Amino acid sequence: ELKVEQNPLFLSMQEGKNYTIYCNYSTTSDRLYWYRQDPGKSLESLFVLLSNGAVKQEGRLMASLDTKARLSTLHITAAVHDLSATYFCAVVIMDSNYQLIWGAGTKLIIKP
Amino acid sequence: NAGVTQTPKFQVLKTGQSMTLQCAQDMNHEYMSWYRQDPGMGLRLIHYSVGAGITDQGEVPNGYNVSRSTTEDFPLRLLSAAPSQTSVYFCASRSGTVSYEQYFGPGTRLTVT
Repeated sequence: ELKVEQNPLFLSMQEGKNYTIYCNYSTTSDRLYWYRQDPGKSLESLFVLLSNGAVKQEGRLMASLDTKARLSTLHITAAVHDLSATYFCAVVIMDSNYQLIWGAGTKLIIKP
Repeated sequence: NAGVTQTPKFQVLKTGQSMTLQCAQDMNHEYMSWYRQDPGMGLRLIHYSVGAGITDQGEVPNGYNVSRSTTEDFPLRLLSAAPSQTSVYFCASRSGTVSYEQYFGPGTRLTVT
């Protein structure tokens, strides 16, 4: 069964700290997406990782993909309150019209 | 360019009622999909379409129907609402470029009593 597991599922941290969210998946895939969701809102695309070793950065967020380890990380540097949200990773199912399987999400709360 | 739009934003149904959730996109995307989001479970695919006239089932299709008569519109029909269908529903369309990035509508919050 194809599974996408995120951890932690909940993270409360102080502003200024660094932390990493992990996304593990159970089958071969060559692309992975990270999305952000604010409470009561829709999903916003953050990163598209298209190959092994891909690394993308936007502001205080950096995402990477290791397809051999079936692992992606979302690293937060010097967290600020505005980054409080739920973060989802989603993995493409190969040979499936690029359908996505989603992780359960990581709810991130950053305290001032 | 409105992107992906959904109506209504909120809906309350009684068990057994039927309704249609509307979804439209103006990006000329061939691929569109419907997801439901339940607490702690991420998104689950209900149905998807790879173009006008072509639809297929996702992970949780039971109790839902779809059709795709135009590229722009992809309505989701609840045939006989059940409390288990209480959820937030998102419609998405997907870029046809190499990234295949999905763009989401604002969502419909549905409560079935």
